[in-house]
Amino acid sequence: EAGVTQFPSHSVIEKGQTVTLRCDPISGHDNLYWYRRVMGKEIKFLLHFVKESKQDESGMPNNRFLAERTGGTYSTLKVQPAELEDSGVYFCASSLPGQGAGELFFGEGSRLTVL
Amino acid sequence: AQSVTQLDSHVSVSEGTPVLLRCNYSSSYSPSLFWYVQHPNKGLQLLLKYTSAATLVKGINGFEAEFKKSETSFHLTKPSAHMSDAAEYFCVVSDRRTGFQKLVFGTGTRLLVSP
Repeated sequence: EAGVTQFPSHSVIEKGQTVTLRCDPISGHDNLYWYRRVMGKEIKFLLHFVKESKQDESGMPNNRFLAERTGGTYSTLKVQPAELEDSGVYFCASSLPGQGAGELFFGEGSRLTVL
Repeated sequence: AQSVTQLDSHVSVSEGTPVLLRCNYSSSYSPSLFWYVQHPNKGLQLLLKYTSAATLVKGINGFEAEFKKSETSFHLTKPSAHMSDAAEYFCVVSDRRTGFQKLVFGTGTRLLVSP
């Protein structure tokens, strides 16, 4: 069974440009999460989808970030325009509906570098 | 608010010696606690979890952790380190206020294992 896959694995862009990160969860996982780790800091929650609905987006830093999950399958996270402080590793995770608390399956992350 | 403190950013051990990674948590509600591990170029993997059952929790690869409410601690241990244990370890807390859907991570402890 394929795990959570994220694309691209690494993206280097200039300040002011736009980047779109993609996450394909494990098939059948209704729950999809985005987390971010900024250099030297802890991994922080960004948002949670249940199917195509945003369940909790309290961790989204500002309105330059837009997450979508059309059709309840894959998700995209767009940063527009990117700023230097957006650099970090963006993790996607998924879980089955009703799965045990905190039992998430994580992807390898998308490293974003903003110059 | 929930929080997690991992007391050591780096821990170095020799192969075959015991491992102790320290974690203290803060939560206003009965928490669930987890340890996740990230090997180089891999996604985060759930190592073990505590969810109000037995206070001594056994995980994969010989790791275990003990929930001590009086000390608000959830330290991770392993009797004998293996070279393959070299990775970054994250202590994580969640509670029912978020339906256990939002994970709060510590800053991580990098475990170095020497021959």
